[in-house]
Amino acid sequence: GAGVSQSPSNKVTEKGKDVELRCDPISGHTALYWYRQSLGQGLEFLIYFQGNSAPDKSGLPSDRFSAERTGGSVSTLTIQRTQQEDSAVYLCASSQTENYGYTFGSGTRLTVV
Amino acid sequence: AQTVTQSQPEMSVQEAETVTLSCTYDTSESDYYLFWYKQPPSRQMILVIRQEAYKQQNATENRFSVNFQKAAKSFSLKISDSQLGDAAMYFCALESNSGYALNFGKGTSLLVTP
Repeated sequence: GAGVSQSPSNKVTEKGKDVELRCDPISGHTALYWYRQSLGQGLEFLIYFQGNSAPDKSGLPSDRFSAERTGGSVSTLTIQRTQQEDSAVYLCASSQTENYGYTFGSGTRLTVV
Repeated sequence: AQTVTQSQPEMSVQEAETVTLSCTYDTSESDYYLFWYKQPPSRQMILVIRQEAYKQQNATENRFSVNFQKAAKSFSLKISDSQLGDAAMYFCALESNSGYALNFGKGTSLLVTP
C-alpha cells in the first residue's frame, strides 16, 4: 500500500477484555515497529520485527502484551485482560532499512473503561 | 542508556516568522542518527529531517534546518517562514547505529498564529 495502515482507528473496550490492533506496513518494508504513546510518557518502544528474524520484544510492558507478524507483512498487537493504564495511542511504523527513519501509521487510540 | 530532552513543552510563532525548537541528548555511542518528527492532530508521525552524527554539515529540507552541535549534544530545529500548517507536536529522536529503536523526547507543541 501507499502508507502504513492501522485498524481500528479508535477502540473503546471494557477493563478485562482482550483487544487486537492491526498494522499493515508498506509493501516491501522488512522492518516493523510498535510504539505506545501515552499522555505524559511520550513514545515508548514496544516491539521490533525484522524479516524472518526473532522479534525484539524487550519493550513489551508485561506478559499481557504480545505481537505477531504473519508472512513478513501484517502485524497484530494483542493486549489481554486490558487495564486502564493500557489506554494510549498505539503507533505502528515500518522501514526498508535502518537509520533512515520510519514511516508511521495514524495509530489506534485505545481507551479502556 | 540514551536520553533525549526537549525542554520547551510549548512554543508559539507568528506566520512567516522563524522559530527554533531545542533538543539535547545523551548517548555513549559515537555513531548515531538524529531525527525530527512532526505529529499533527491526525496522529501520523511525519519525518521532517534526519542528521547523521558523523556528518558535520547541518541537514536542511526546504524551510527546515538543524543546528547540530555534536560536542554539546544539541540538535535544534529551525523552521523558517512559518506556515499555519506547521502547527503540530514536534519530536526529537535518537537512533544508535548499532540499534533500531528510536528514543524520543517528550515533544514540543508548536502554535502558529496568523
